[in-house]
Amino acid sequence: AQKVTQAQTEISVVEKEDVTLDCVYETRDTTYYLFWYKQPPSGELVFLIRRNSFDEQNEISGRYSWNFQKSTSSFNFTITASQVVDSAVYFCALSEGGLPGGGSQGNLIFGKGTKLSVKP
Amino acid sequence: DSGVTQTPKHLITATGQRVTLRCSPRSGDLSVYWYQQSLDQGLQFLIHYYNGEERAKGNILERFSAQQFPDLHSELNLSSLELGDSALYFCASSDSPGANSPLHFGNGTRLTVT
Repeated sequence: AQKVTQAQTEISVVEKEDVTLDCVYETRDTTYYLFWYKQPPSGELVFLIRRNSFDEQNEISGRYSWNFQKSTSSFNFTITASQVVDSAVYFCALSEGGLPGGGSQGNLIFGKGTKLSVKP
Repeated sequence: DSGVTQTPKHLITATGQRVTLRCSPRSGDLSVYWYQQSLDQGLQFLIHYYNGEERAKGNILERFSAQQFPDLHSELNLSSLELGDSALYFCASSDSPGANSPLHFGNGTRLTVT
C-alpha cells in the first residue's frame, strides 16, 4: 500500500542555517509522482515542486533544493540559508500513476508534515 | 493566490446539522478534489470529480456527499454532523485527472461542530 513518512515532526533552526526535511515513500507502482507543499501559518497549501519517478535529477530553485533517490525511496527537501518566512508546515505527497484509464489517479497521499520554525 | 475559491471560510454549527461547502476551481481546471485536514488524521483525500463525474473516492464517510456541477464548481455536503467532523476542508483543482498534475488548493473552510 502507498504511504508517505515524514519522520521529523518539528524542526527548529536559527535564521541562515540550512535545514533538510526528510520524506520516505512506499509504493508498488513504477510510475508515480512526488510533491512538496508548504502550509504557512495562514493555512493555505502552496504547491512547491513535482517530480516523476523516471526523473532522478535533483532540482534547485533559489534557496530550495530537492534530492530524489529511488534506491532509498526518499525525496528530501533542503532549504539553504533559512529565513523566518520559511516557517511553515511542509508536506510531502505521493500520487500513483496507476493503470491507464484507472480510477485513483491524481489524488495525493500526504505525509503527516514537518513543522519548521525559523527563529531570527 | 491559487485561483481556487472556497466558501465560506469559517462555519460553526451544531451536532446533527447539515452543511454545504462550496468550491470554484481555477479557470480551465476540470478536476476537483476534496480533502479533510484534522489534527489526528492529517490530510485525508475524500473524493475526486472530473468534468462532472466522480473519479475516485477516498476516506469519505457515508454521511458526506459531493457533486460537481456543469459549470465545474463543486459542493461537499456534510450531514448528521458529529464533533469529530470538525476540521479544515480543502478543495483543490487541476487541469487533468492524471497523477502528474499538481493540485492547486483553496484556502479551506474551517468547520467547527459544537
